Amino acid sequence: NAGVTQTPKFQVLKTGQSMTLQCAQDMNHNSMYWYRQDPGMGLRLIYYSASEGTTDKGEVPNGYNVSRLNKREFSLRLESAAPSQTSVYFCASNGWTSGNYEQYFGPGTRLTVT
Amino acid sequence: EDQVTQSPEALRLQEGESSSLNCSYTVSGLRGLFWYRQDPGKGPEFLFTLYSAGEEKEKERLKATLTKKESFLHITAPKPEDSATYLCAVTAFQGAQKLVFGQGTRLTINP
Repeated sequence: NAGVTQTPKFQVLKTGQSMTLQCAQDMNHNSMYWYRQDPGMGLRLIYYSASEGTTDKGEVPNGYNVSRLNKREFSLRLESAAPSQTSVYFCASNGWTSGNYEQYFGPGTRLTVT
Repeated sequence: EDQVTQSPEALRLQEGESSSLNCSYTVSGLRGLFWYRQDPGKGPEFLFTLYSAGEEKEKERLKATLTKKESFLHITAPKPEDSATYLCAVTAFQGAQKLVFGQGTRLTINP
């Protein structure tokens, strides 16, 4: 049981390049999320998927797109990277466990845009 | 707009010196308050979910409490391995848990 996995762990892009961050969970959770974490800003929600086949914008969606490929996988795409997108990106999934909603996070992708 | 404010930003304690971290929140209809631990270079690790004022949960040296305006994370007789950043988050949504996070408290326990 790996929980939430993310690839890649590190990435350096030049301005204008594109890339896709991959996320998978093996906990059979319906909901999945993408956050970014910046110094002094805390974790901010980019997009989420409440269930397979649905996606919705979070607090900071501009410059990103997402795809809920199936119940396990939720990807985040940067079409034209900008230096302002330099951040640490976390994927999470949410489920009901032992009487509580619990949201579990992956290890993160550290992205630098030059 | 939902908001979470954590204090202090940083706290340094001696091993065995108990203390509390504060999480003040403003949310239109709280559906859950969450505490996480985050070690450097890693993702947040789930600790607790609290749902209603008066609720308390414990795990080892940690105890989380909730009132209508704030939550406390009490750390009793901490050890150096408790050093981490502690994050608080709230949600007003049932089911799809869109979390709003505070900026965290960086806790250092000196041996």
